[in-house]
Amino acid sequence: GESVGLHLPTLSVQEGDNSIINCAYSNSASDYFIWYKQESGKGPQFIIDIRSNMDKRQGQRVTVLLNKTVKHLSLQIAATQPGDSAVYFCAETSNNNDMRFGAGTRLTVKP
Amino acid sequence: AAGVIQSPRHLIKEKRETATLKCYPIPRHDTVYWYQQGPGQDPQFLISFYEKMQSDKGSIPDRFSAQQFSDYHSELNMSSLELGDSALYFCASRYGNQETQYFGPGTRLLVL
Repeated sequence: GESVGLHLPTLSVQEGDNSIINCAYSNSASDYFIWYKQESGKGPQFIIDIRSNMDKRQGQRVTVLLNKTVKHLSLQIAATQPGDSAVYFCAETSNNNDMRFGAGTRLTVKP
Repeated sequence: AAGVIQSPRHLIKEKRETATLKCYPIPRHDTVYWYQQGPGQDPQFLISFYEKMQSDKGSIPDRFSAQQFSDYHSELNMSSLELGDSALYFCASRYGNQETQYFGPGTRLLVL
């Protein structure tokens, strides 16, 4: 079946560096994508979203890029901080149906 | 700002017992989702409700049932609990046609 998945399960970066977390999806009908951050023992926290009619969206220190041609989504975190350490999930939905999550990437920020 | 509230936050049950998890969505949110997240796993969609009616169904076992009440809160009822039901259970809510789901803090269920 169609799925959403991440390329790498773990990512370790130095504090202050930029982080890039990747996500591949296979449902070409997906029209809305979200990045969630999940800290240990907590619920997923909304970070940023993007609709399929866009290819880039920026927030505070975060940027999401969408490449519909290769069905690829990425989350860029600028000047990564220790507080960014968490598991990051991409999620997608089509026609406002139930959301499907990809396997998370654990980001570890080294001081 | 008010967030999604879930209770209890932690629950310990024995095999074959029943459990009821509660979710109180963000005020004015009319859609509620339930997810199950096993250790090291991504959240798996179980079931959703819109305006008190079941709107979508995912990988929810037949032993589980859920409903949404007139005040929009939702309850997930779990019967004949199995060891494999030990997981984090998240509720998320959404308003109207907005697509973003906002998650609660989760209920950690441990079945012994």
